[in-house]
Amino acid sequence: EAGVVQSPRYKIIEKKQPVAFWCNPISGHNTLYWYLQNLGQGPELLIRYENEEAVDDSQLPKDRFSAERLKGVDSTLKIQPAELGDSAVYLCASSQDRGLNEQFFGPGTRLTVL
Amino acid sequence: ELKVEQNPLFLSMQEGKNYTIYCNYSTTSDRLYWYRQDPGKSLESLFVLLSNGAVKQEGRLMASLDTKARLSTLHITAAVHDLSATYFCAVDSDDKIIFGKGTRLHILP
Repeated sequence: EAGVVQSPRYKIIEKKQPVAFWCNPISGHNTLYWYLQNLGQGPELLIRYENEEAVDDSQLPKDRFSAERLKGVDSTLKIQPAELGDSAVYLCASSQDRGLNEQFFGPGTRLTVL
Repeated sequence: ELKVEQNPLFLSMQEGKNYTIYCNYSTTSDRLYWYRQDPGKSLESLFVLLSNGAVKQEGRLMASLDTKARLSTLHITAAVHDLSATYFCAVDSDDKIIFGKGTRLHILP
C-alpha cells in the first residue's frame, strides 16, 4: 500500500514568489493534515481536513497561506507571496480512524526562500 | 492552552544502557503518540496510547501513559546505535494535536 505522497520534495524560490505543495493521502484516509516543521522543532499544525471540510485552520496564516481539498482526496497548500521566514519543511499527514487518530506522514517538502 | 514538554531535549548515551524520555502535557488528554524521525526523513509512528495505564512495547522501546500525572515515558532498554534519532511525543486534546520539541538521541557505539 502506498504511503502519503508529497511533491515536490524540494523547492527553492525567491521571496515574494508564489509556491504550491501537493499531497495525496493514503487511500481511504478521510483526515488530512498539513504541518510546518522548522529545524530542530516539532511539527506545528497548519490545517486539518475532514474529507473536504477544513475543520481546524486556526494556525494557518491566512494573509498568505491557503489550502484546498476540493474532492476530499488530495490537497494543495499554497503560499503567496513567500517570505524568508517561510523556509521550513512542510509535512502532510493522513489518518483513517478519528478514534485512534494515528497519523501517517509523507516525506515532506523542504522549502527554501532566498 | 495545551503545552507539551519533552525532556531531555538532547541525550547522548552508550550502547547497552537504559534510559527514559519524558513527555509532560498541560491539559487533559486521552490520546498520546510517539514518533521517530531520522535526519532528513519524515516521522514514523511508534506508539499510540489511548488510556490511563496503557503500556506498549516494540523491541527495545516501551511507552507508557499516566493521564492523571499527564505524563508519558518512552523507555529504551539496552540501547543500540540504530535507535539514534529524534523522538517526538504528540498529545491530542479536544481535537488539537500538539507536538513536543523532540528529544535528539545519540547512541554511541
